[in-house]
Amino acid sequence: GEQVEQRPPHLSVREGDSAVITCTYTDPNSYYFFWYKQEPGASLQLLMKVFSSTEINEGQGFTVLLNKKDKRLSLNLTAAHPGDSAAYFCAVSGGTGGADRLTFGKGTQLIIQP
Amino acid sequence: AQTIHQWPVAEIKAVGSPLSLGCTIKGKSSPNLYWYWQATGGTLQQLFYSITVGQVESVVQLNLSASRPKDDQFILSTEKLLLSHSGFYLCAWSPHWGSQNTLYFGAGTRLSVL
Repeated sequence: GEQVEQRPPHLSVREGDSAVITCTYTDPNSYYFFWYKQEPGASLQLLMKVFSSTEINEGQGFTVLLNKKDKRLSLNLTAAHPGDSAAYFCAVSGGTGGADRLTFGKGTQLIIQP
Repeated sequence: AQTIHQWPVAEIKAVGSPLSLGCTIKGKSSPNLYWYWQATGGTLQQLFYSITVGQVESVVQLNLSASRPKDDQFILSTEKLLLSHSGFYLCAWSPHWGSQNTLYFGAGTRLSVL
C-alpha cells in the first residue's frame, strides 16, 4: 500500500524566513494530495487540496509544489509569522479511493521564532 | 454549511471504565464518517470508517468499537479502557459522492486514562 514519508519532523525558523516541509510517497497512481494544519491543542484544518494535474498551487502565504516524477509533495511557507506555528500533515490518496484510503504523513512540528 | 460536533471535549477516565465518544454531522446527508486517534507525538491513525447507517469498518484493532446509529451520528466506545487509549480522538467526515477523499475534522476529544 501507499507509504508517505514526511520530513522534517521538527522545524524551527525565524519570523520572516521561509519554511519547507516535504512528503514523498510511493504509489505512482496517487491522485489527490492534501495539507492539513493543526494548531496547538486544536483539530486539523484543511489547508489545501491538490490534484495531480497541477504542479504549483498557491494559497495565502504558502505554495504547494507537486513533483510527480519524484513523487514528492512540498509545502513552502513564505515569510513565516507566529501564526504559522503548528503541526503540519500531508495526506495522499489514490484516484478512486475514498478517505478510507487516505495515507497521512507523521507530521512536522513547525515553530516560528520571533 | 456543514458542521461537525464532537462530545465531550475532554475526558479523564479510570483504567477499566467504559467510554463513549460521540460525533454529529449537520448540513450534509449521507456523509462518510471516520474516527481517528492521535497519540502523543502526533501520528494519526484511522480507527473506523462508515459509509452508511449501521455499517462500520474497522481499520485497527485497539479494543474499541464504533457504531453509526443514525445517518448523522458516529459513536466510539469501549467497555474497558486501557492506559494506551489515552490520546486525542478525532471524528471526520467526507462527502459520499465526488470529493469523497477530502476529510473535514471535528474539534476532537482529549482522553486521559489514569
